[in-house]
Amino acid sequence: AQSVTQLGSHVSVSEGALVLLRCNYSSSVPPYLFWYVQYPNQGLQLLLKYTSAATLVKGINGFEAEFKKSETSFHLTKPSAHMSDAAEYFCASFSMNTGFQKLVFGTGTRLLVSP
Amino acid sequence: ETGVTQSPTHLIKTRGQQVTLRCSSQSGHNTVSWYQQALGQGPQFIFQYYREEENGRGNFPPRFSGLQFPNYSSELNVNALELDDSALYLCASRYSAGTGINTGELFFGEGSRLTVL
Repeated sequence: AQSVTQLGSHVSVSEGALVLLRCNYSSSVPPYLFWYVQYPNQGLQLLLKYTSAATLVKGINGFEAEFKKSETSFHLTKPSAHMSDAAEYFCASFSMNTGFQKLVFGTGTRLLVSP
Repeated sequence: ETGVTQSPTHLIKTRGQQVTLRCSSQSGHNTVSWYQQALGQGPQFIFQYYREEENGRGNFPPRFSGLQFPNYSSELNVNALELDDSALYLCASRYSAGTGINTGELFFGEGSRLTVL
């Protein structure tokens, strides 16, 4: 079964610093991978997705992620954090089960940005 | 704005009661999924409806049931509520060309937060 593991339930950075949120996947077949962001009291918004095309995926709000098969990783990065980036981030893998499809989410990483 | 709206936004129930949560999707979104997000956890897949029929279910008991209507609205019903059912319930929808692999974006609503006392 596909699964994703997010390392670090909380990550703290200063405004302007590099953001690195870690995600490792477990899959016996090439996965489809996603990063979602959840702001307080809101639903999930798609940041970016990997669907076996380019290994470096660019998303919204300056985020990007690199698919590394050798490391089974799909870490999310942003060169310079903004205060508005403070939110919960979820890595997810797309699982196909006999005709239906579902997202399998990690446990989330809360990004804290200090001035 | 995702075009997916959920109601109610918050509600409180007691153990043993029944609850109905509602979702209105974008026009044309023939696939709707429901997810349960417990506090401090990632969302977990409950089930999916495609063209008004359930075509996939996660590890949730039968007291979790749903409906999808032709007007792109849907419902999640939970019977015999338990304390552990307290969570944020998320509805997500997309257009699917079929039951094959479809990596089109899922559009999530803001959720209904259920508290069971």
